[in-house]
Amino acid sequence: DADVTQTPRNRITKTGKRIMLECSQTKGHDRMYWYRQDPGLGLRLIYYSFDVKDINKGEISDGYSVSRQAQAKFSLSLESAIPNQTALYFCATSDVGDLNEQFFGPGTRLTVL
Amino acid sequence: AQSVTQLDSHVSVSEGTPVLLRCNYSSSYSPSLFWYVQHPNKGLQLLLKYTSAATLVKGINGFEAEFKKSETSFHLTKPSAHMSDAAEYFCVVSDRVGTYKYIFGTGTRLKVLA
Repeated sequence: DADVTQTPRNRITKTGKRIMLECSQTKGHDRMYWYRQDPGLGLRLIYYSFDVKDINKGEISDGYSVSRQAQAKFSLSLESAIPNQTALYFCATSDVGDLNEQFFGPGTRLTVL
Repeated sequence: AQSVTQLDSHVSVSEGTPVLLRCNYSSSYSPSLFWYVQHPNKGLQLLLKYTSAATLVKGINGFEAEFKKSETSFHLTKPSAHMSDAAEYFCVVSDRVGTYKYIFGTGTRLKVLA
């Protein structure tokens, strides 16, 4: 079984709808991250969480919110989806330590019409 | 502030010839550096990581990278390209203090010609 899972894998929605993307991990890591990937831009950090009570904005948090329900679960919400939020979204986890290698989920492809 | 620049957005090589994907970084502290690969419609897979133990880092599938502090570079190389190497490659820098956040390059798409 995969260590980092994301649901759904694909989602098509309409402008104005609320969407939740979920991430679960079995690696036992405290740190979790949400990124979005757009062609030609690489991955950009939306939110990150270093433990259940610690949530921080990344470089592109506007229009998004997150919830860390447990050590293993980190959800990303789009309160009112807009077309320019169409992207590939990745969840990642990492352990405490100075190397901070991150492990990525398979991604969720979101299309907002 | 950290930053990373991948100098080529697209690279084309013939099968069996060497691969060079270039990456320059900027970091206030001694950084951690990574290369990830993303095959079409797939997630990200770690190719290799720089841990400061050795400047020449060997990764999976025959890839390696050399950390050159004086040039602030971490270029990815492979002696002989294979068709299965066609993918997008991301260079990543992360500080070892503070937030440990990843900063991604914009990616280099590698095309391998038969």
